[in-house]
Amino acid sequence: TQLLEQSPQFLSIQEGENLTVYCNSSSVFSSLQWYRQEPGEGPVLLVTVVTGGEVKKLKRLTFQFGDARKDSSLHITAAQPGDTGLYLCADVYSSASKIIFGSGTRLSIRP
Amino acid sequence: SQTIHQWPATLVQPVGSPLSLECTVEGTSNPNLYWYRQAAGRGLQLLFYSIGIDQISSEVPQNLSASRPQDRQFILSSKKLLLSDSGFYLCAWSVDVRPYTFGSGTRLTVV
Repeated sequence: TQLLEQSPQFLSIQEGENLTVYCNSSSVFSSLQWYRQEPGEGPVLLVTVVTGGEVKKLKRLTFQFGDARKDSSLHITAAQPGDTGLYLCADVYSSASKIIFGSGTRLSIRP
Repeated sequence: SQTIHQWPATLVQPVGSPLSLECTVEGTSNPNLYWYRQAAGRGLQLLFYSIGIDQISSEVPQNLSASRPQDRQFILSSKKLLLSDSGFYLCAWSVDVRPYTFGSGTRLTVV
């Protein structure tokens, strides 16, 4: 059974600071996705990465997929209070039509 | 456009009572449907997924069951709730390789 571990579990930083959160898998990802979830709502997809070494940018967010496709990082530049939320990585099993989620990183940005 | 409806939004049930949560999708045909459970501030655990009517796959043995009586309807049930069934339940759908779309969730508290 694949295990997706995210670190840190909790992170609280000041507005304007930079941060990086990590996702590590016990096995090679089929296809990796990052989601953000706000309290009381469902997760919203941020990005999908497929190729080892791939880097994608979404405004102030930079997503990096490890060369071996077993780890990923999400870097946020100049964090803003609107970035607050639970960040989830996930592996997409297209053959089995299901997604397995990581444990999540809860991010809090202080004004 | 496609929409997903999940209800109720919140539910407080006594231990030993039955449960029925409903999820419906509009605007698409033959979607893959999913039930996830989320503990407070943590990642999502896949409970059930379905690729067609009456085709249900269970990921975790437990006190819950799922049914898909119609193409766009997915129901999560329990005959007798346990305290450990408390959590945030999310329904999601996808078609082919499109990203998941999540419902707004049901907050279940078993007392």
